[in-house]
Amino acid sequence: DAGVTQSPTHLIKTRGQQVTLRCSPKSGHDTVSWYQQALGQGPQFIFQYYEEEERQRGNFPDRFSGHQFPNYSSELNVNALLLGDSALYLCASSYWTSGLAKNIQYFGAGTRLSVL
Amino acid sequence: SQQGEEDPQALSIQEGENATMNCSYKTSINNLQWYRQNSGRGLVHLILIRSNEREKHSGRLRVTLDTSKKSSSLLITASRAADTASYFCATDDRGSTLGRLYFGRGTQLTVWP
Repeated sequence: DAGVTQSPTHLIKTRGQQVTLRCSPKSGHDTVSWYQQALGQGPQFIFQYYEEEERQRGNFPDRFSGHQFPNYSSELNVNALLLGDSALYLCASSYWTSGLAKNIQYFGAGTRLSVL
Repeated sequence: SQQGEEDPQALSIQEGENATMNCSYKTSINNLQWYRQNSGRGLVHLILIRSNEREKHSGRLRVTLDTSKKSSSLLITASRAADTASYFCATDDRGSTLGRLYFGRGTQLTVWP
């Protein structure tokens, strides 16, 4: 049973460029969340996708956008890259349940983005 | 901000010793979770404790939760070099099933052989 997979592992871009990161959730999961983790910090929630729609969003500018496909995989797009966007981008998957969800999230190994 | 804060920021111990790290948060929660991260890689879920629980055990892990003080502690007993990692507590929004997690900055644990 494959866990959460992310690609690419590492990426180097220059300021102003655009980047797309990809995530395949764990088998049986239908919800994908994206987090940004700067060096020495904890992960910060970017947004969450369920049923191909953005369900919740953190405090990130519109330069950050996403998409979820019918097979539940997801993409994170960042436009007009800034130096401050350099970070580890983590994808986490879970499954939706009614009531109080257990909400255990399974994380991928992340994509390390460096903006020069 | 709901973000939790772990204490201490760094902890260094010998193998066989116990490691205790603490987490404080600001608003009401459904659950509190602890995750481990090795060398800037993905996070691994360790244990979840619900807001109506006070203590939970899993192998060498013991977690306590005090909702009146909005705090939690993670105890790792008989630590091993392989426990060297960053440990994060993660909270959610009480009454919300949307699944957003709030993480603190983590505790960097180093276990020396």
